[in-house]
Amino acid sequence: EAQVTQNPRYLITVTGKKLTVTCSQNMNHEYMSWYRQDPGLGLRQIYYSMNVEVTDKGDVPEGYKVSRKEKRNFPLILESPSPNQTSLYFCASSLNWAGNQPQHFGDGTRLSIL
Amino acid sequence: DAKTTQPNSMESNEEEPVHLPCNHSTISGTDYIHWYRQLPSQGPEYVIHGLTSNVNNRMASLAIAEDRKSSTLILHRATLRDAAVYYCILRDGYRDDKIIFGKGTRLHILP
Repeated sequence: EAQVTQNPRYLITVTGKKLTVTCSQNMNHEYMSWYRQDPGLGLRQIYYSMNVEVTDKGDVPEGYKVSRKEKRNFPLILESPSPNQTSLYFCASSLNWAGNQPQHFGDGTRLSIL
Repeated sequence: DAKTTQPNSMESNEEEPVHLPCNHSTISGTDYIHWYRQLPSQGPEYVIHGLTSNVNNRMASLAIAEDRKSSTLILHRATLRDAAVYYCILRDGYRDDKIIFGKGTRLHILP
């Protein structure tokens, strides 16, 4: 089954403790992206990647890092998490970056930073 | 800032058609119009997209204004399962760019 898988689905942690949220897709997609969703603010793009070793900042990249060492994986790294990064995070992928390609979203990861 | 403008919420009766509007007055000639929906406690789900012509698929229809400055997502016969937040976004067809979602329209379906 074609899917985007995020782990963990839920995480409660403390300020400053590095964490990684993994994202994997099995559709051989070139384009991958991370979003955060906060009440009243909708979905905001954090980082995106057009292909292996190519990443770009989205609208709200501060405090986050990403890497794209292989096509299927696009982890989101919070080096020193802070409470304002408490949010619902979604990973998405599409065949390529072209505007006519639909995105497939994961089920989300709810992060709470205390 | 979002490139699209949608009403915050709408209501519709079950089994009636629903027309969800989206304004995108600054759309460029190479922007595709995409619609997604997000059911409660789920990730966004692709619904439909188009460039200039109206589009139909099994989920919905997309009507695009002749000047492309607005579009309408049409659910032909709403069911309770269509209650969701609907997002209209633009994606450039020929250059990579960050994707901007707005706040979407929360659709309530009345039984």
